[in-house]
Amino acid sequence: SQKIEQNSEALNIQEGKTATLTCNYTNYSPAYLQWYRQDPGRGPVFLLLIRENEKEKRKERLKVTFDTTLKQSLFHITASQPADSATYLCALGSNYQLIWGAGTKLIIKP
Amino acid sequence: EPEVTQTPSHQVTQMGQEVILRCVPISNHLYFYWYRQILGQKVEFLVSFYNNEISEKSEIFDDQFSVERPDGSNFTLKIRSTKLEDSAMYFCASSKEGEPQHFGDGTRLSIL
Repeated sequence: SQKIEQNSEALNIQEGKTATLTCNYTNYSPAYLQWYRQDPGRGPVFLLLIRENEKEKRKERLKVTFDTTLKQSLFHITASQPADSATYLCALGSNYQLIWGAGTKLIIKP
Repeated sequence: EPEVTQTPSHQVTQMGQEVILRCVPISNHLYFYWYRQILGQKVEFLVSFYNNEISEKSEIFDDQFSVERPDGSNFTLKIRSTKLEDSAMYFCASSKEGEPQHFGDGTRLSIL
């Protein structure tokens, strides 16, 4: 069955450093992979989408890589700030559904 | 920026009762989805809807569940004969083809 794993339940990073989150998947060949942010009691908020033929995508302080051979995506936040503290979810899918990882809770310490 | 809106934000229902969760997707989106998230667990896909019919559904989406787009703006999820284990956050999302899904802030469903 399809499986998505995010590297850790929680990640503590010092403010100003780069946070790197990992998403690994098996038994799946997604057309694209997405990263979302979720704050407590809120719905997921879209951050970045990367397609299977793309290696890297950037948006401001965010960068996503996608290695379809390794079946892995890395999500980087550079110059991290306390306001970046949230749960980050990776999701794979198509037009018809998204399959989600359990998320990584990122805590940025001042 | 347009957003997906969901009502109510919190629904409390007695076990065995029917509940309808409502969503207004973004107006020019064509794909509609329902997901649920049990407290402390991952987001789970329930159903997707396109061109006035279900495109895909998960094992969770059994005969207890139904979806409807009664008019040009609303998208509803009905749960018949609710069970305690239906307690969760239910998220509605919408998207254009091949584009990211946009989520509402969810309805917290509590079954007593």
